[in-house]
Amino acid sequence: QVQLQESGPGLVKPSQTLSLTCTVSNDSVFSADHYWTWIRQPPGKGLEWIGSVFYSGSTYYNPSLKSRLSTSVDPSKNQFSLSLTSVTAADTAVYYCASAHYYDSSGHYYAYWGQGALVVVSS
Amino acid sequence: IQMTQSPSSLSASVGERVTITCRASQTISTSLNWYQQKPGKAPKLLIFAASTLQNGVPSRFSGSGSGTDFTLTISSLQPEDFATYHCQQSNSLPYTFGQGTKLGIK
Repeated sequence: QVQLQESGPGLVKPSQTLSLTCTVSNDSVFSADHYWTWIRQPPGKGLEWIGSVFYSGSTYYNPSLKSRLSTSVDPSKNQFSLSLTSVTAADTAVYYCASAHYYDSSGHYYAYWGQGALVVVSS
Repeated sequence: IQMTQSPSSLSASVGERVTITCRASQTISTSLNWYQQKPGKAPKLLIFAASTLQNGVPSRFSGSGSGTDFTLTISSLQPEDFATYHCQQSNSLPYTFGQGTKLGIK
């Protein structure tokens, strides 16, 4: 069974950088069959796709976050990571990492999710 | 693409048949997934490609639709089905979710 686990600080000060890592077990981040995604959920609200990163290093980002966002893959540690700069209270959310799997030439779904990491932006 | 679910919340009884609707602001073919989320837990994939049941998901769950209008149906509610349900489109970037439908016990 594939497992994902988020890790990182639970409290970040406004204007600073939010950094999270997702460790993958029983699968390889260096895979052409699927790719890696970050999704967040503000308290009491819906889900928001943040961005995705492929084993090759290619990335797709939500335009609403693109100017502040960076993601990467580290095959040596079987991890992928998220960095969001200049955070505000609006970035307070549970952050999930997930694996994205294709079911045809374009469609995909998120099959495996981490348990989620609550990140609070506050001074 | 904006995804709109209806209703935002509903109450139902064990054994009832329940339908949740998801509408896309533009056509997405069948690139629509459904997830179930329980409090404090990550979402769980139920259905992908609008109507394909994920392995291990009970057959009382079903999905239908194409284009802009989609439905998730639970044929006979079980106690463990009370949760929040999210739709998600994977047709085009940025990928988007509906606002969620909270299914509670009547």
